[in-house]
Amino acid sequence: EPEVTQTPSHQVTQMGQEVILRCVPISNHLYFYWYRQILGQKVEFLVSFYNNEISEKSEIFDDQFSVERPDGSNFTLKIRSTKLEDSAMYFCASSVRGGTEAFFGQGTRLTVV
Amino acid sequence: DQQVKQNSPSLSVQEGRISILNCDYTNSMFDYFLWYKKYPAEGPTFLISISSIKDKNEDGRFTVFLNKSAKHLSLHIVPSQPGDSAVYFCAASVGGANSKLTFGKGITLSVRP
Repeated sequence: EPEVTQTPSHQVTQMGQEVILRCVPISNHLYFYWYRQILGQKVEFLVSFYNNEISEKSEIFDDQFSVERPDGSNFTLKIRSTKLEDSAMYFCASSVRGGTEAFFGQGTRLTVV
Repeated sequence: DQQVKQNSPSLSVQEGRISILNCDYTNSMFDYFLWYKKYPAEGPTFLISISSIKDKNEDGRFTVFLNKSAKHLSLHIVPSQPGDSAVYFCAASVGGANSKLTFGKGITLSVRP
């Protein structure tokens, strides 16, 4: 069964460092998303991406964040200068046009120390 | 900003009985609703969805009911099985599954053998 894959599963980084979280969405999907879940809190929307551009972003997705689809298969989330409060589980998701659901990856746990 | 609320943090039911998980929303613009299940260290897995033009959708043991006037939906699992023990998230969107999802906090379901 096709699935969304994310790497790494766990990333530890020092405050102020840049991190790149990687995702391989399902191959025929056209819509891509990043969500995050801070421990004990809700899953929160960060950004959606369609047709090689951001279609929507939340207030969380400030200038420190960026997304890219560098080739036909990868979708990345970059955090330029990490803060302690960026520590969270980050989920990538993708969906097909007109589909009934978004498929989520297993997540990357980001720990900023 | 609690546009999607799951007010009960946990639910425990006996195997074979019905599990009823509730969800309320405040944003009248939401027109598409989804339920996801999540095991520890995994991403959310889609269960079932419903469009606002319907009031019921059924898929095997899972049925979702939507009461638009009350801004309330519920997920029924019949019969409940120990493997159903997980965190269940209600999510909503404006414009279908390709739009950003707003999640509730989740309900931890425990099914006792």
